[in-house]
Amino acid sequence: ILNVEQSPQSLHVQEGDSTNFTCSFPSSNFYALHWYRWETAKSPEALFVMTLNGDEKKKGRISATLNTKEGYSYLYIKGSQPEDSATYLCASLYGQNFVFGPGTRLSVLP
Amino acid sequence: DAGVTQSPTHLIKTRGQHVTLRCSPISGHKSVSWYQQVLGQGPQFIFQYYEKEERGRGNFPDRFSARQFPNYSSELNVNALLLGDSALYLCASSLVNYNSPLHFGNGTRLTVT
Repeated sequence: ILNVEQSPQSLHVQEGDSTNFTCSFPSSNFYALHWYRWETAKSPEALFVMTLNGDEKKKGRISATLNTKEGYSYLYIKGSQPEDSATYLCASLYGQNFVFGPGTRLSVLP
Repeated sequence: DAGVTQSPTHLIKTRGQHVTLRCSPISGHKSVSWYQQVLGQGPQFIFQYYEKEERGRGNFPDRFSARQFPNYSSELNVNALLLGDSALYLCASSLVNYNSPLHFGNGTRLTVT
């Protein structure tokens, strides 16, 4: 059974703090790693699609890195804002199936 | 452009009943996948359809079935409902499976009593 893990499970930070989360996945038969942001009462929204070892992607204050050989990805948020409060999901693709992690719930306190 | 739409938004059913959930993908998207999400867990893959053919199936019992229509919309059917089927059911569409992001609908909240 393929298992994608995320840590921490939840995180509370102050506005302006920078933070990061980890996604761990089996490195064999890797195809792609996705990051999604899921705000309450909304649908999950894609942040990044990463496929190559060493990939680094950036979108505003959010960035992500990928290490396919050791099976991990980091998501960084610089200068957290209250609107960054959400659950951040990673998903790894194996064959035709996406395996999602349980998510990291981020709360940014004003 | 309209996003992924799912119906109904909420549903209450009794154990043993049958349910049909519907999903309309973003225009031009030929791949549709279904996920079950229960509290505290990430979405669990149920099915993926591409060009009207099943391309992937998760670890769910045969009570779960799905199909994709010529217009690429999709239905998820669950027979003989159990209390444990209570969950949020998400539909996602995409252009190509792994290089394109998934675009999710708002989900159908199913409660089985």
